[in-house]
Amino acid sequence: GAVVSQHPSWVICKSGTSVKIECRSLDFQATTMFWYRQFPKQSLMLMATSNEGSKATYEQGVEKDKFLINHASLTLSTLTVTSAHPEDSSFYICSARAPQRGPYEQYFGPGTRLTVT
Amino acid sequence: RKEVEQDPGPFNVPEGATVAFNCTYSNSASQSFFWYRQDCRKEPKLLMSVYSSGNEDGRFTAQLNRASQYISLLIRDSKLSDSATYLCVDGGSQGNLIFGKGTKLSVKP
Repeated sequence: GAVVSQHPSWVICKSGTSVKIECRSLDFQATTMFWYRQFPKQSLMLMATSNEGSKATYEQGVEKDKFLINHASLTLSTLTVTSAHPEDSSFYICSARAPQRGPYEQYFGPGTRLTVT
Repeated sequence: RKEVEQDPGPFNVPEGATVAFNCTYSNSASQSFFWYRQDCRKEPKLLMSVYSSGNEDGRFTAQLNRASQYISLLIRDSKLSDSATYLCVDGGSQGNLIFGKGTKLSVKP
């Protein structure tokens, strides 16, 4: 149990376009999902916490109007990178807590590698 | 600022060796800690949870020292498949994970 999927696994887009990334919990319900970004040789940085049915909580320095998060159901959260620029190129990973596996552990999706040209 | 510090390595060890990683954290209120492993260009996978003084799972042992605010991970009888980056993670006081930059391990035949 505690399987998280992400789609797409990689995407290349042109500067100025928007990209939507989906995160799904496959075998459990996730009231809370998390979105991270990881640049090469850097640690994972939390971007935002996504709560089902309410607005996401963004970390300091993350533009909420640029990174739109929607958590419309207990198994799906989406991250939309709007007006993407080359500096947004990164590895975006979502995670979710699986209550049956522990109160604080997070299980990660396989990640989405975004390249903005 | 809450931080987790790790030696980035790399640790290059032969198969069968015992290797230990240390990690320090700054948030004295944190209740939970984790070790994740991350393979190159992949997502982190949970290796161990540490809620009390320590945890053991087969060849892997994690220990927590709250007084000194550090966590260690010991790997015994290293396998080639253990080669990865090991992420020390502070579960924080509110459950949001704080990641260290990771320690790279390379196990050689």
